[in-house]
Amino acid sequence: EAQVTQNPRYLITVTGKKLTVTCSQNMNHEYMSWYRQDPGLGLRQIYYSMNVEVTDKGDVPEGYKVSRKEKRNFPLILESPSPNQTSLYFCASSAYSGVVYNEQFFGPGTRLTVL
Amino acid sequence: TQLLEQSPQFLSIQEGENLTVYCNSSSVFSSLQWYRQEPGEGPVLLVTVVTGGEVKKLKRLTFQFGDARKDSSLHITAAQPGDTGLYLCAGAINTNAGKSTFGDGTTLTVKP
Repeated sequence: EAQVTQNPRYLITVTGKKLTVTCSQNMNHEYMSWYRQDPGLGLRQIYYSMNVEVTDKGDVPEGYKVSRKEKRNFPLILESPSPNQTSLYFCASSAYSGVVYNEQFFGPGTRLTVL
Repeated sequence: TQLLEQSPQFLSIQEGENLTVYCNSSSVFSSLQWYRQEPGEGPVLLVTVVTGGEVKKLKRLTFQFGDARKDSSLHITAAQPGDTGLYLCAGAINTNAGKSTFGDGTTLTVKP
């Protein structure tokens, strides 16, 4: 089954404790992206990757890191989480094809609480 | 600054009524998409529009892309409770198609 998986689905942590949220897709998609969703703010893009070893900042990259060592995986790293990073996080992938991007397939979300 | 502004933010209507959701921007987009999101799940694509003036229909849903590719609308005819959800527009600007911008969403509730 074609899908985007994220782990963990739920995470409660404390300020300053490094964490990683994993994202994996089995559709051989070039494009992957991370978003955070907060009430009334829609989805805001954190980082995206057009292909392996190619990553770029979205609109809200501060406090986050990503890597794209393999095509299927795109982990999101919070080196020193803070309470303002409490949010619902989504990973997405797409078969990027030039100027017009294709459908983004979203993972089920990771609800992160930083105390 | 929100590049894509949606209105209304909340909409509560009775089953059978029609409604329109708007997505506006001062920027030109190479393509614009509409997604629907249900609680506890990720957004799911409804449609992609790429040509100015384009109109696409998906059963009771009609999507329109503005002539100048700066705005879009979603019209639902005879809404049903199953249409309840969060509707999001998303776009990519030509100069950086990898960067994806979402509107802040319209929460639709259709009461039986």
